[in-house]
Amino acid sequence: QVQLQESGPGLLKSSQTLSLTCTLSGASVSSGNWYWSWVRQPAGKGLEWIGRTDTSGGTYYNPSLKSRVTISVDTSKNQCSLQVTSVTAADAAIYYCARYTAYPMEAFDLWGRGTMVIVSS
Amino acid sequence: QSALTQPASVSGSPGQSITITCTGTSSDIGGYNYVSWYQQSPGKAPKLLIYGVTQRPSGVSNRFSGSKAGNMALLTISGLQGDDEADYHCSSYTSGSTWVFGGGTKVTVL
Repeated sequence: QVQLQESGPGLLKSSQTLSLTCTLSGASVSSGNWYWSWVRQPAGKGLEWIGRTDTSGGTYYNPSLKSRVTISVDTSKNQCSLQVTSVTAADAAIYYCARYTAYPMEAFDLWGRGTMVIVSS
Repeated sequence: QSALTQPASVSGSPGQSITITCTGTSSDIGGYNYVSWYQQSPGKAPKLLIYGVTQRPSGVSNRFSGSKAGNMALLTISGLQGDDEADYHCSSYTSGSTWVFGGGTKVTVL
């Protein structure tokens, strides 16, 4: 069974850097027509796409977060990572790792369970 | 990029049909057939319901159907059931090679 699992510190202070890891089990990050994405959801709000990468090095970010976000994939560890610098209270959310399957599906078809991030002042 | 616009809530009685709208622009919904819908039960991760505007993944009930008209996408749930109570999110690919979600719609079964 293919699964995604997010991990990382759940509590940070303002101005620190958030670092999360997403581990894929049951498949290889290098196989398939897949992009590896991060999506977040502040409490009681909708989903916000953060960005995506693939094993070919193609990386795209939400323009509103681009200056603070880095997404990368490590094929040796079968993982995808997210870094967000200079966090504020506005970055507090549940962060999901999601697999985007490209043509012909073009949708986020596999999601991790999410990890909650709290930002304190 | 601006979030797609969804109604905050929609409700219906068991057995009825309801439709959730998702409004975007010609740079996202109107420009591509890469609209997808997700169901999110409380405390759970989103689950893919519809992709490619109208397609259902294997295992998704045919009570869920999607469509698109111009810059608006629609999700219809027919034969509403109690376990359809959840949040529903739309998403679209955009002209900036990015993806955008809607604000989510809470469905209540009366």
